Amino acid sequence: GAVVSQHPSRVICKSGTSVKIECRSLDFQATTMFWYRQFPKQSLMLMATSNEGSKATYEQGVEKDKFLINHASLTLSTLTVTSAHPEDSSFYICSARPLAGTNNEQFFGPGTRLTVL
Amino acid sequence: AQTVTQSQPEMSVQEAETVTLSCTYDTSESDYYLFWYKQPPSRQMILVIRQEAYKQQNATENRFSVNFQKAAKSFSLKISDSQLGDAAMYFCAYRSAMGGTSYGKLTFGQGTILTVHP
Repeated sequence: GAVVSQHPSRVICKSGTSVKIECRSLDFQATTMFWYRQFPKQSLMLMATSNEGSKATYEQGVEKDKFLINHASLTLSTLTVTSAHPEDSSFYICSARPLAGTNNEQFFGPGTRLTVL
Repeated sequence: AQTVTQSQPEMSVQEAETVTLSCTYDTSESDYYLFWYKQPPSRQMILVIRQEAYKQQNATENRFSVNFQKAAKSFSLKISDSQLGDAAMYFCAYRSAMGGTSYGKLTFGQGTILTVHP
């Protein structure tokens, strides 16, 4: 149990277009999902915390108008990179914290590699 | 704000030997959680071990154990009988026990790349 999926696993887009990444908890409900960004051989940097039914909380320095987060249900959060540019190319990882149980552990998706040409 | 520091960018170990990865953190909180995550080449994050700050006993999970020194704010990971499959990037992470809109968020260290030699 406790599986988190991300779609797509990789995406290539042209500069100026928008890209949507989905994060789904497949076998549990998650009130909170987190979005991270990771550059090659570097750490995970938290971008925002997504709470079901409310606005996301963004970390300092993350542009909320550029990285739109929607958490419309207890099993789905989406990250939309608007007007993508080459510097947005990165590996994006989501994690989900179950509603109950599992000792407050959070579970990670497999990540999405975004390449902006 | 909390910070997590891993001072070893890379470590290597011979198969079947033991290796210790270092982690220090800074916080003013008294109640929190610490984690070690493994990220293999697939880049899927895998929880290796967790430690509750209020527990004095060091956590162990099979070949993985930690040395948690709360006063020194140190949280090292020991891998015994290293296996080729242990090769990965390892991240130390901190999570506050406090509530709020960002409850549960993790602060990661810079990571340590572990190489296992046959």
